[in-house]
This record gives sequence, structure tokens and C-alpha cells, in this order.
Amino acid sequence: DVKVTQSSRYLVKRTGEKVFLECVQDMDHENMFWYRQDPGLGLRLIYFSYDVKMKEKGDIPEGYSVSREKKERFSLILESASTNQTSMYLCASSTMGGEGTEAFFGQGTRLTVV
Amino acid sequence: QKEVEQDPGPLSVPEGAIVSLNCTYSNSAFQYFMWYRQYSRKGPELLMYTYSSGNKEDGRFTAQVDKSSKYISLFIRDSQPSDSATYLCAIRRSGYALNFGKGTSLLVTP
Repeated sequence: DVKVTQSSRYLVKRTGEKVFLECVQDMDHENMFWYRQDPGLGLRLIYFSYDVKMKEKGDIPEGYSVSREKKERFSLILESASTNQTSMYLCASSTMGGEGTEAFFGQGTRLTVV
Repeated sequence: QKEVEQDPGPLSVPEGAIVSLNCTYSNSAFQYFMWYRQYSRKGPELLMYTYSSGNKEDGRFTAQVDKSSKYISLFIRDSQPSDSATYLCAIRRSGYALNFGKGTSLLVTP
């Protein structure tokens, strides 16, 4: 069974902290993504990666960075957490090529910054 | 203009009803169209996908794409309480990332 695992379901962090959100996939997928989901705004793409050590900015990269040192692992880093980064964070992965490039999602991490 | 527009609802229907969920999009170059279902406190999961125009059917679900009007639809026949969820339309943009609509919340009442 395919799996995308996010390290935490719920996190509470203080303003100014450096926060790491971890995501691991076991499907040998090339592509990995980080989205955030907010009421009334839907899912918005933060960063994505097509390969190890590769990264591309999505639509809302400000205040975030990412790391992909291994193919199966994609980390989202909040350099200095702020209250407007309180959100549900969703990691996804997909393979390359063809029509059926379904993105598989993790369960999400609900981050609260206080 | 947002690339994918979706009415957030909420939509409430009685069990057994036919449900119609819709999205519009702005970029005529899009080719891959998807519907995801998201239950409360879960990640989205793929329900249907369609390449280019046309219909695709899977059990009680039918996905429809009209590229001339930039309109995508999901129909649910004989809706069940277990269909209660948020439905997200998504379009694959250049590369493999997805643009999502805001999602429509559906409640099917027994």
C-alpha cells in the first residue's frame, strides 16, 4: 500500500522558532510537494522537488525553505515561525510521466504558531 | 484571476440524490483534470482523473471535462452518507504540481 508519512499530526510552536516538518514516501517517487491548506483559500503550493537536491518555488514560498537530501524524504523548514503560518501542511509525492501521475498525500500536519 | 474556481458550498443533499460538483479554469493549455476527495482530518485522495475532454465513469462517479467552456464536473449518483466530504478539483500544471480549487463541502443526509 502506497504511503506518504508526515512526522507529526499536530504541532504547537512559538513565534520565532525554527520549525521542521518531515515527510517520507515509500513509493520511490521522483516528485515531492509541500502544500498548505487554509479555510477559504484551499491548497496552495509552497515548494516542490523533482529530484534529490533539486527544489523549485511554488506559489507561496516566502518564509519557507526545503531540503531533499534523499529521494524518499522532503523537509519543509519555517525559518522563523510566525502566527500567519498557522495552517494545515500537506506533503505529496508523484511519479514522472504519463497520464496517471496521481499525487499521493500524507495525513497532514496541523501547525499552530503561538 | 485564480486559475481554478470552485464554489465552496456547503452543499447538503438527501441520500440517493444526484450530486453535481463543478469547477471552471482559466488556462486553455491544461490537459489533466482530477477530482480529489478529502475526509475530515485526512489528506486528499484521488477519486477520478480525466485527460483532455470527455467523460469518465467509475461506479457511481462520472467526471466530465468541457475544454471549450473550460468547465469540469463531477457527478455522484445515488449519493450515500459516506460520500460526505470535501471535493477538490485539481488541474495538473506544467511540471507535475497541481492547482486546486478551494473545495466543495458535501453533506449527504440519511
